[in-house]
Amino acid sequence: SSELTQDPAVSVALGQTVKITCRGENLGNFYANWYQQKPGQAPVFVLSGENNRPSGIPDRFSGSTSRKIGSLTITATQAEDEAHYYCSSRDSSGNWVFGGGTKLTVL
Amino acid sequence: QITLKESGPTLVKPTQILTLTCNFSGFSLSTSGVGVAWIRQPPGKALEWLALIYWDDDKRYSPSLKSRLTITKDTSKNQVVLAMTNMDPVDTATYYCAHRPGRSDAFDIWGQGTLVTVSS
Repeated sequence: SSELTQDPAVSVALGQTVKITCRGENLGNFYANWYQQKPGQAPVFVLSGENNRPSGIPDRFSGSTSRKIGSLTITATQAEDEAHYYCSSRDSSGNWVFGGGTKLTVL
Repeated sequence: QITLKESGPTLVKPTQILTLTCNFSGFSLSTSGVGVAWIRQPPGKALEWLALIYWDDDKRYSPSLKSRLTITKDTSKNQVVLAMTNMDPVDTATYYCAHRPGRSDAFDIWGQGTLVTVSS
């Protein structure tokens, strides 16, 4: 299967750590890439693979990919991290696929 | 600084062809490994990858939409064009173009998106 599965919603208390997961058959062969999207805005690339963050993305965002599961971990979560998070990866045909997205609520 | 901007009609009728243009700057689509993708998002729904064109003119399409999509590039104009045939109301979405750097499978820079509504 080329699908990527994400939990629809996750919540975290302000300042705590949260892990957002993405499950897919080809994860491990290909990295999971992560995007943050706030209401009314275009997605923003936040992480590729393990800890490849673009400039401007805080180091409280980290990632891992293994055994068909990709994870995005946010430590010391801030109110500004509340957003939808999407994972993407490649499938066995070389095409791209996105997960269904996870809505992160910061309590 | 890499930027991308989508343009095209905001309203199309069912069965019509949608043509969207992505104008970009800050990179060359003749650089090895670089690509430009189209991704869409229906209102309130998830992102969906549509197509990507590589620097060498290799093209990839979403299997579910392949028969309806054509992606082309004009390197001299820094443009990528996506055509989608037989538009339907379910194709109503914000359409984004995005940059794929040569060293990664991520889409590191996105355009602002353009909302296309399909309605008679």
